[in-house]
Amino acid sequence: QVTLRESGPALVKPKQTLTLTCTFSGFSLTTSKMCVAWIRQPPGKALEWLALIDWDDDKYYKSSLKTRLTISKDTSKNQVVLKMTNMDPLDTATYYCARTSQTTGDAFDVWGQGTLVTVSS
Amino acid sequence: YELTQPPSVSVSPGQTARITCSGDTLPNQYTYWYQQKPGQAPVLLIYKDIERPSGIPERFSGSTSGTTVTLTISGVQAEDEADYYCHSADSSVTYSVFGGGTKLTVL
Repeated sequence: QVTLRESGPALVKPKQTLTLTCTFSGFSLTTSKMCVAWIRQPPGKALEWLALIDWDDDKYYKSSLKTRLTISKDTSKNQVVLKMTNMDPLDTATYYCARTSQTTGDAFDVWGQGTLVTVSS
Repeated sequence: YELTQPPSVSVSPGQTARITCSGDTLPNQYTYWYQQKPGQAPVLLIYKDIERPSGIPERFSGSTSGTTVTLTISGVQAEDEADYYCHSADSSVTYSVFGGGTKLTVL
C-alpha cells in the first residue's frame, strides 16, 4: 500500500523559512519514472503545484517561486523535504505531497492528507 | 501557461455533467483530472486524457478536442458533488499546472 504523510510546523512567522517533510512508504524514489511533488492549496482556493523531484534527482520548480523553494530527497529514509524561504501570510495553505508513477505518467496518483501551515506573527 | 475551467457547473441527479478545461498547450500534453471533496485530499479520476485508475467508476470519462479537454460524469449522483481540477504537465515549460477548479453542484 502506497502512503505519503506530510509533517512540519503548523505555524510560522513572516520571513521565516518553512521546512516540510514528506515521508512515504510502499514505493521507492529510486525506481525509474517515480517522482514526488509538493502542491499547496490556500483556504478556499485552487491547487497550486510548487515543486517536483524525480528518481534521477532532477528538480523542477514553479517559476514564480523558484528563488524561494528547495526540494531534496533522502532515499534511505524515504523522505522528500521542501524548504520555502521568506514566508508571507499569503503562503498560508494546506501543503500536500503527492506521487507520480510510470503507469499514470505525470498524474499525481497518490496524495498525502495534507498539512495546514499558517503564516502569522 | 494557464488552464481555464468554469468556476461552477450545476446538474440534477441522473443527468450528465461536463466540465471543460482549456489551454493552448493541451494538444501537445496529457491532461489529468482530480476530484476533491471538502476537507479531503484530491483523488485522481482520469490520467493521460482518457484513462481511469482502478476503482474509479465508469461514469467518469475524459475526452479531448483541440485546446479543450472535458471531464464527463454520466448519471451524476449526489456523492459526486465536489471540486474538480484539471492538471497538465510540460517539462519544457513550467513543468506542472492546475486549472482553477470547478465546483460541481448536484441540484
